[in-house]
Amino acid sequence: AQSVTQPDIHITVSEGASLELRCNYSYGATPYLFWYVQSPGQGLQLLLKYFSGDTLVQGIKGFEAEFKRSQSSFNLRKPSVHWSDAAEYFCAVGVMFSGGYNKLIFGAGTRLAVHP
Amino acid sequence: NAGVTQTPKFQVLKTGQSMTLQCAQDMNHEYMSWYRQDPGMGLRLIHYSVGAGITDQGEVPNGYNVSRSTTEDFPLRLLSAAPSQTSVYFCASTHGGRSWEQYFGPGTRLTVT
Repeated sequence: AQSVTQPDIHITVSEGASLELRCNYSYGATPYLFWYVQSPGQGLQLLLKYFSGDTLVQGIKGFEAEFKRSQSSFNLRKPSVHWSDAAEYFCAVGVMFSGGYNKLIFGAGTRLAVHP
Repeated sequence: NAGVTQTPKFQVLKTGQSMTLQCAQDMNHEYMSWYRQDPGMGLRLIHYSVGAGITDQGEVPNGYNVSRSTTEDFPLRLLSAAPSQTSVYFCASTHGGRSWEQYFGPGTRLTVT
């Protein structure tokens, strides 16, 4: 069965430090992979996505992610974190569901806190 | 262009009460869906629709009904609220087909006492 694992429930970093959020997926075929961010009290916003091609993808707000097929991973990175990056981050894998619906399977999320 | 809107933002229900969570989108998206978000579990799919008049069950459909009479609206009905339905509910929409980007509403926080 398809699944997404985000091993870190909470992460705290200092402002200006680098960040890496881990994501591992289980999916038999070539995966469609996504990172979403949820700011407090808000809905989810797409940060970036990987469908095929270059395994390093760039997203909004200075984030990037690298797809590593051999490790079944899609880790999210940012070289220098800003206080406004404090949020919850969700990794997701896209699967074709019944009726042709493009379903997203989400990980449990990683809550990021940023210290000044 | 308002995107995906949800009402209400907050709701408190007593066990056994019924209510409808509203969701609307103005992007002419074919596909719409409802998720619930619970701590430590990410988002789980409740119901979805691939077009007006077509709905289907997701992973956790029990206790919920949906209908899709128009492209724009996709209400979620709780038939008889239970404490286990305390959660944050998100509506999402997407063009469908080969489009994978889902647009999420701001959510409804529901508490059932």
